Amino acid sequence: AQTVTQSQPEMSVQEAETVTLSCTYDTSESDYYLFWYKQPPSRQMILVIRQEAYKQQNATENRFSVNFQKAAKSFSLKISDSQLGDAAMYFCAYRSAPGTNFGNEKLTFGTGTRLTIIP
Amino acid sequence: ETGVTQTPRHLVMGMTNKKSLKCEQHLGHNAMYWYKQSAKKPLELMFVYNFKEQTENNSVPSRFSPECPNSSHLFLHLHTLQPEDSALYLCASSETPGQAWLNYGYTFGSGTRLTVV
Repeated sequence: AQTVTQSQPEMSVQEAETVTLSCTYDTSESDYYLFWYKQPPSRQMILVIRQEAYKQQNATENRFSVNFQKAAKSFSLKISDSQLGDAAMYFCAYRSAPGTNFGNEKLTFGTGTRLTIIP
Repeated sequence: ETGVTQTPRHLVMGMTNKKSLKCEQHLGHNAMYWYKQSAKKPLELMFVYNFKEQTENNSVPSRFSPECPNSSHLFLHLHTLQPEDSALYLCASSETPGQAWLNYGYTFGSGTRLTVV
């Protein structure tokens, strides 16, 4: 079974600065997907960014980028130019690729990192 | 609106009560999920439905009973709960294999905050 570990329960960053959230995972699969979700106080989980394991290029979405190290099973999220609206819980998640575990598409989550933005 | 709607938003119930949580999506997704979110713990997958069929029950106690009458609706029936069942219950939906993989993630609802007293 896959596991996802987020070792930083809480992080804080000054507004406009850059912060990196860590995530490691364990799997025996070679093809899979990794995600970062954001959960603001409204409680709705919002997809921030995703990475396909077969792609070597790190995913980027505006101010959000990842550092995907497949051999090390590491998937960190970098938030540049932090804004007050970035304050939330951030969850790293793993999902098997289609065909590797047919019919079982569950996301496996880490415990989350609470990010505080300091004005 | 998120695309996945959960009601009620908050629920307080006694240990002898029977209540139901509702989840609804009109995104054309065929897979729906119930997750339990407790403080300082990873989200726990409870149930998975693919095309209305339950494909996973993650050793959930029988006091939680899911129902999926169609691909757009998912219920979680609750009875004789314990205080440790207090948590945020999240519903999510996703596309399934064979459909266009435009979005590999889930669409979540805003959850039901359940308190068992």
